[in-house]
Amino acid sequence: GAGVSQSPSNKVTEKGKDVELRCDPISGHTALYWYRQSLGQGLEFLIYFQGNSAPDKSGLPSDRFSAERTGGSVSTLTIQRTQQEDSAVYLCASSLSGFDWETQYFGPGTRLLVL
Amino acid sequence: DQQVKQNSPSLSVQEGRISILNCDYTNSMFDYFLWYKKYPAEGPTFLISISSIKDKNEDGRFTVFLNKSAKHLSLHIVPSQPGDSAVYFCAASGGQGGKLIFGQGTELSVKP
Repeated sequence: GAGVSQSPSNKVTEKGKDVELRCDPISGHTALYWYRQSLGQGLEFLIYFQGNSAPDKSGLPSDRFSAERTGGSVSTLTIQRTQQEDSAVYLCASSLSGFDWETQYFGPGTRLLVL
Repeated sequence: DQQVKQNSPSLSVQEGRISILNCDYTNSMFDYFLWYKKYPAEGPTFLISISSIKDKNEDGRFTVFLNKSAKHLSLHIVPSQPGDSAVYFCAASGGQGGKLIFGQGTELSVKP
């Protein structure tokens, strides 16, 4: 079956521009997560959607970052006025119901480079 | 404030020998721990997990040990194979919904 997909796979942008990153979770998964991995760092939690509940945005590094999930499926992570420190691999994951003992399945990531 | 730490950025092991990857955590609210494996240019893939009510979980060549009093877990791979060469991340969750807190990763190299 299809796994988590993300697009684009790579994105190069200029400082100050806005970018949108897309995630298609596994069909039927109600929980969706965004993480990022900066160079030489571990994965950093950004935001978590669970069904129709208000998202947990506690990991978003600044108000330039936002995410939405339309129709309980596809999610878009938007970074406004990008900065060079936003350069990272942005990873999306999904799980069946959002319980902490469930396996999260990751997509291949979007590599963002801000020049 | 790094709640999950992997203090060894890299580990090199001979094929057939045991690989031991370590992870420490600080938050006593964590009740579920996972190991993920990551190849370059791919997303992490789930390897093995353990609940805080257990101290050991085994799956084939992979065993995870949890020492709650020391807030320490380890992943043992026996015997190690060249295909095991990857970056291994430990992660923890608990009390905060499903979000995972990851360590920095340990790059394992298994030499033939």
